[in-house]
Amino acid sequence: QVQLVESGGAVVQPGGSLRLSCAASGFTFSMYAMHWVRQTPGKGLEWVALIWSDGTEKFYGDSVKGRFTISRDNSKNTVFLQMNSLRDDDTAVYYCSKNQQNYYDLSASDYWGRGTLVTVSA
Amino acid sequence: DIQMTQSPSTLSASVGGSVTITCRASQSVGTSLAWYQQKPGNAPELLIYQVSTLQIGVPSRFIGRGSGTEFTLTINNLQPVDFATYYCQQYNRFSPTFGQGTKVDVK
Repeated sequence: QVQLVESGGAVVQPGGSLRLSCAASGFTFSMYAMHWVRQTPGKGLEWVALIWSDGTEKFYGDSVKGRFTISRDNSKNTVFLQMNSLRDDDTAVYYCSKNQQNYYDLSASDYWGRGTLVTVSA
Repeated sequence: DIQMTQSPSTLSASVGGSVTITCRASQSVGTSLAWYQQKPGNAPELLIYQVSTLQIGVPSRFIGRGSGTEFTLTINNLQPVDFATYYCQQYNRFSPTFGQGTKVDVK
């Protein structure tokens, strides 16, 4: 069965950096685009970033553009989110999710991890 | 970015009843519209994609309709497991956006 397991969440000071990982299993990882989506405590969902199956294209939400970088290692079935210049409003649970369609077709997310909490606080 | 506006924010209903949630897009998203269900402490789960196609395992009491800029999610014969928060999402452009959510609670 499909499993996505995020890790790397922590408490970090404003201006700091953090790298999140998402280990995938149960499907052919190299065939699917992957997303990061975040949810602030008690609030709604915000799409953060998308990477194509082969890593050739990456897309970002406006609020993280220039600060966050999505990447993947298809040999290790893992997607990453490097977060730099963190701000208080980056505090959230970060989910990775699998794009439902394969390769280069943007679609809904059919599987989600349980999330990892990032807290930005002095 | 395309803005997605859900209404209402909260909906109270009884077991066995029906509810309809509306999601409006600030510009056309064609049929690139999904609905998710989220329960407290859990990740969102995909219910419906491409406006009206049920994800595997989702019961037929969930009905998605619409096109362009206006979409609805109807839940018929509400069951206790259906009390949750529902989000719409457009994925028409390479900057997917979610609605703000609709909480369905017990009347």
